[in-house]
Amino acid sequence: EVQLVESGGGLVQPGGSLRLSCAASGFTFSDYSMNWVRQAPGKGLEWVSSISYSSTTIYYADSVKGRFTISRDNAYNSLYLQMDSLRDEDTAVYYCARDQSASGGFYYYFDYWGQGTPVTVSS
Amino acid sequence: DIQMTQSPSSLSASVGDRVTITCRASQSISSYLNWYQQKVGKAPKVLIYAASSLQSGVPSRFSGSGSGTDFTLTISNLQPEDSATYYCQQSYRIPRKTFGQGTKVEVK
Repeated sequence: EVQLVESGGGLVQPGGSLRLSCAASGFTFSDYSMNWVRQAPGKGLEWVSSISYSSTTIYYADSVKGRFTISRDNAYNSLYLQMDSLRDEDTAVYYCARDQSASGGFYYYFDYWGQGTPVTVSS
Repeated sequence: DIQMTQSPSSLSASVGDRVTITCRASQSISSYLNWYQQKVGKAPKVLIYAASSLQSGVPSRFSGSGSGTDFTLTISNLQPEDSATYYCQQSYRIPRKTFGQGTKVEVK
């Protein structure tokens, strides 16, 4: 059974840092690209960052570029999100999600999600 | 960035009804469109990918159609457990797989 379990969320002051983790199990982690997606309270979903299976390709949303760093450790089946210079607007539930492709890699979607870890940025 | 606009923002329907949610992209995205269901306090779950392909394990009352800029998610024979918020997502302009703002479905 595929499982993604996030941890590391909490309350942090503006300007502070936090490191989120996502522990994967039930599949060959090193075969899949992974993503972070967030959801502010009462709001919709926002893609945050993605990392390829080998960490060679990394992307960020403009809203977090230069402040967040995504990484992974395939030996430990883990995904990470280092969040620095946090702002009030970063308050959200953060989900890790697995990338899946169909039709020979033409179509991509998020087929498994973790339960999310809440991050609150407030003084 | 590609903008995704869903309508309506919310709807209320009865058990057994047929419900349609629309999603419009700000530019053509071919069939690179996914639909997700999110229940309160839970993570999203993929229902449809590539505009019309049903994800394994998803009930057949869910269906998707469309291409280019206009897409629909249809729920036939609405069930109480279908109360949720539904999101469309474009995967044409990867990696920025933007989502629509969501449609909240209430089952009366």
